[in-house]
Amino acid sequence: DQQVKQNSPSLSVQEGRISILNCDYTNSMFDYFLWYKKYPAEGPTFLISISSIKDKNEDGRFTVFLNKSAKHLSLHIVPSQPGDSAVYFCAASGSEKLVFGKGTKLTVNP
Amino acid sequence: SAVISQKPSRDICQRGTSLTIQCQVDSQVTMMFWYRQQPGQSLTLIATANQGSEATYESGFVIDKFPISRPNLTFSTLTVSNMSPEDSSIYLCSVPTGEGYTFGSGTRLTVV
Repeated sequence: DQQVKQNSPSLSVQEGRISILNCDYTNSMFDYFLWYKKYPAEGPTFLISISSIKDKNEDGRFTVFLNKSAKHLSLHIVPSQPGDSAVYFCAASGSEKLVFGKGTKLTVNP
Repeated sequence: SAVISQKPSRDICQRGTSLTIQCQVDSQVTMMFWYRQQPGQSLTLIATANQGSEATYESGFVIDKFPISRPNLTFSTLTVSNMSPEDSSIYLCSVPTGEGYTFGSGTRLTVV
């Protein structure tokens, strides 16, 4: 049973436009959510996080939105750049352990 | 945040053999996590390694198959034992740091 789901395996956007990556979770005990970016042959790199007491967190071009009632979070990247092309993982935690989604491969076209 | 050196970066191994993966952290950390990413799948937690105590394994993972050592607060190893092609995956170590968790660069294992 997958507790964290990223239903879009891939997403393609034009440079300068907005990228929206979505994530759904089922476990109501999760209280901390993270997004990671992964390039080939590298480990995941922490991008941004949000606590369940917030509904939005912003860091430069990256904004994460949390809708607790819908058990849904999204990552917005504005404006998208070709260097943002990578696999993005959503992760959730209710303790020290992280539960990951399967990832969404983002391609930003010049 | 912490910097993790993970070795080897990749290996091709014969079935029935074992491979030991090492992670060295540039600072002392209490907890270290080991993950597996099978092709097309998410990262799955194998076990949590605490210094001075036995590792805690997640459901579906056993110590005989994935023995872990944690001799000090900066180092850990994961051994993949008696390998089969189904063990072909990326293996990663991770430590909690600040807002998130820092990961090693991963070990891409292919079992033939």
